[in-house]
Amino acid sequence: SQTIHQWPATLVQPVGSPLSLECTVEGTSNPNLYWYRQAAGRGLQLLFYSIGIGQISSEVPQNLSASRPQDRQFILSSKKLLLSDSGFYLCAWSKDRFPSNQPQHFGDGTRLSIL
Amino acid sequence: KNQVEQSPQSLIILEGKNCTLQCNYTVSPFSNLRWYKQDTGRGPVSLTIMTFSENTKSNGRYTATLDADTKQSSLHITASQLSDSASYICVVSLPLNSGAGSYQLTFGKGTKLSVIP
Repeated sequence: SQTIHQWPATLVQPVGSPLSLECTVEGTSNPNLYWYRQAAGRGLQLLFYSIGIGQISSEVPQNLSASRPQDRQFILSSKKLLLSDSGFYLCAWSKDRFPSNQPQHFGDGTRLSIL
Repeated sequence: KNQVEQSPQSLIILEGKNCTLQCNYTVSPFSNLRWYKQDTGRGPVSLTIMTFSENTKSNGRYTATLDADTKQSSLHITASQLSDSASYICVVSLPLNSGAGSYQLTFGKGTKLSVIP
């Protein structure tokens, strides 16, 4: 069966520090991968998606970046964190193309607090 | 602007009772509508997925309905259990702007359901 792992589960970082969040998927190949952010009281916001190794598309301009060095690995990074980067970051995968009746599968997220 | 609005924002019900959560959307073009359940501190889990041609879909005690004409959906929970306490998120699927063959999900803010004994 397929599984998705995110780490760390929680992270507290000072303003201006770098960031690296990792997500890996097991049990499938060539998945679509997604990074979302969920701010308090707001819906999930798509940050990045990838349909293959080295292929990254950004939906929201910001100081974050994403990379996909391997087929089932997706990394969210920042060189200098801002206070506004605080939130709950979720990685997800799907195995299909639009139009799709298949669900996206989410990891358990990383709670990021910027001090 | 594509939007998904959910009501109520929060709801408290007694264990064993039924409840209905509402979702109105303006997303266009529209592919399908999903309901997710998100436990506190966890990632969302898919409950139902309906295309625009489907009117209803069930998953155990969860039944989702869709009216594509009025752009409304509801999630009905029957005989609620304490484990149903969670946020329920309505999500509408549409193609991504880049046309890369993938799609984007527009999320509502969710309804926070609390089931009490």
